[in-house]
Amino acid sequence: GAGVSQSPSNKVTEKGKDVELRCDPISGHTALYWYRQRLGQGLEFLIYFQGNSAPDKSGLPSDRFSAERTGESVSTLTIQRTQQEDSAVYLCASSLVYRGQGYTFGSGTRLTVV
Amino acid sequence: TQLLKQSPQFLSIQEGENLTVYCNSSSVFSSLQWYRQEPGEGPVLLVTVVTGGEVKKLKRLTFQFGDARKDSSLHITAAQPGDTGLYLCAGGYTDKLIFGTGTRLQVFP
Repeated sequence: GAGVSQSPSNKVTEKGKDVELRCDPISGHTALYWYRQRLGQGLEFLIYFQGNSAPDKSGLPSDRFSAERTGESVSTLTIQRTQQEDSAVYLCASSLVYRGQGYTFGSGTRLTVV
Repeated sequence: TQLLKQSPQFLSIQEGENLTVYCNSSSVFSSLQWYRQEPGEGPVLLVTVVTGGEVKKLKRLTFQFGDARKDSSLHITAAQPGDTGLYLCAGGYTDKLIFGTGTRLQVFP
């Protein structure tokens, strides 16, 4: 596709349920990133995939968070046993191999845990 | 921990005024990028600066990277309502970007 696609755009879930968020990067972009943005705040790094290298998981806030990526395509971010503090916009971005390249972001998934 | 602090956090101005947003860190970054984000959308890249002291202009926007590559500024001349949004700086660190705390700009007609 022409841009980074994220689905769903909005998700409301009950506390304790698991959720899966999906990201389709730009074709040919080898790098894929997940960020979290709480209301009115900046972006918090979660995880980074680069080709077939081991992902950089250093930003995942707890073991309830995990992400997978198949090759250089789709990625899913899974949050298990959701808590109210998980409520945020989850943004995915992709780029060519990062050396000062800009990221292209999707429009995000707004997650609300009630 | 790398931290990028932006100031001011909020800025409300009248159309036609000039403004400067600052992005500061104690860490050295390989590059510095500026993004603008509108409600309901992801951030959109405005510019990338990579050399200490570098200045780039994009119409009414002027971006500068500090000599030591630890800070940057964004200056907007004659702001317009269309400039309204959340401005984010982001520093390149290893293979990922560390984002700043954001500056929310509102320009009134």
